[in-house]
Amino acid sequence: GAVVSQHPSWVICKSGTSVKIECRSLDFQATTMFWYRQFPKQSLMLMATSNEGSKATYEQGVEKDKFLINHASLTLSTLTVTSAHPEDSSFYICSAPTGTGWYNEQFFGPGTRLTVL
Amino acid sequence: GEDVEQSLFLSVREGDSSVINCTYTDSSSTYLYWYKQEPGAGLQLLTYIFSNMDMKQDQRLTVLLNKKDKHLSLRIADTQTGDSAIYFCAVPNNDMRFGAGTRLTVKP
Repeated sequence: GAVVSQHPSWVICKSGTSVKIECRSLDFQATTMFWYRQFPKQSLMLMATSNEGSKATYEQGVEKDKFLINHASLTLSTLTVTSAHPEDSSFYICSAPTGTGWYNEQFFGPGTRLTVL
Repeated sequence: GEDVEQSLFLSVREGDSSVINCTYTDSSSTYLYWYKQEPGAGLQLLTYIFSNMDMKQDQRLTVLLNKKDKHLSLRIADTQTGDSAIYFCAVPNNDMRFGAGTRLTVKP
């Protein structure tokens, strides 16, 4: 089946630095990818919709200048957490639908655990 | 590992009730979740239930949890065409495990 990968799987960084997380669809093209974050023992929350070749659409309350999204190709979307702070520590997950149709499946990446010291 | 299973398709008439079922193999989570995905959009949290409850009602939505049988259901009363979407149950363990999603079609 379709696979979505994320890199890195975990990252520890100092406060004030920027961290880039990659999401790749390995065997299918994804014009759209979704980015979620999950705080410990809490629900998955949609952050933004990444659109290939155009600007990402951010959910209410998500700072677009803080979480930069670039969907450079049909198989790669990146999320850059800029000037990271400890409160940005979270589990970031991407997903990609295999198509735009009603019955297309959506596949989730394994997630990236970010810890900001 | 965790298995979360849902039936893939459900079709109802407008005004009827919809019941979407989910079974899981194990959960150590405090909460269990239902997400809604409209065509072309990302998952949005719809509702959740605390694991020591057996029922939660939120307007037209009723969540039932049978921990003994490891069965979770979502009932939508007076289903509308705008409810047409894919509904995912999610059971956290060490990570978030999703069912395959139930595609609800509401016919006028």
